[in-house]
Amino acid sequence: GAVVSQHPSRVICKSGTSVKIECRSLDFQATTMFWYRQFPKKSLMLMATSNEGSKATYEQGVEKDKFLINHASLTLSTLTVTSAHPEDSSFYICSARGLTNTGELFFGEGSRLTVL
Amino acid sequence: AQSVTQLGSHVSVSEGALVLLRCNYSSSVPPYLFWYVQYPNQGLQLLLKYTTGATLVKGINGFEAEFKKSETSFHLTKPSAHMSDAAEYFCAVSERGNNDMRFGAGTRLTVKP
Repeated sequence: GAVVSQHPSRVICKSGTSVKIECRSLDFQATTMFWYRQFPKKSLMLMATSNEGSKATYEQGVEKDKFLINHASLTLSTLTVTSAHPEDSSFYICSARGLTNTGELFFGEGSRLTVL
Repeated sequence: AQSVTQLGSHVSVSEGALVLLRCNYSSSVPPYLFWYVQYPNQGLQLLLKYTTGATLVKGINGFEAEFKKSETSFHLTKPSAHMSDAAEYFCAVSERGNNDMRFGAGTRLTVKP
């Protein structure tokens, strides 16, 4: 149980285009989902916290107009990187917390974005 | 706010040797503590967690960790390293009732044959 799936796992796009990454909780309902960004050989940087049916809460320094987050249902959150540039290339990971808060987060497999 | 410090960005051990990955935390309230493992180009997998109760917690793949409040530590150990243990390990902390989880910088474990 407690499986989180991300799609796509890899995406290459041209500079200036937008890319959407999906994060789904497959066998549980996730009231809260988190989006992280991970640079090579670095730790996870929390970008935003997404609560179902409400606006995401962004961490300081994260551009909300650049990284659009939507959490339309209890099983799906999406991250859209708008007008992507090469510096947006990174590994993006989502995680989810279930309705029963055990403190644990369940992570997706990650999505590697490469912007040419 | 809570925070985590992992001592040593890179640890190298021989196969069969003891693995010790260090983690110290800071939290204003009783913490939840976690160890996650990440293999290349993959997400994070939970190894073990401490929430309440027994301070020595056992996880998957033979790992265990002990919560020491007096030392604000949650070090990860494994008696005998295996080649398949080579990965990046992250310690994380969240404050009870808090939505937020903060990660340490990570420790890369290398296992030599």
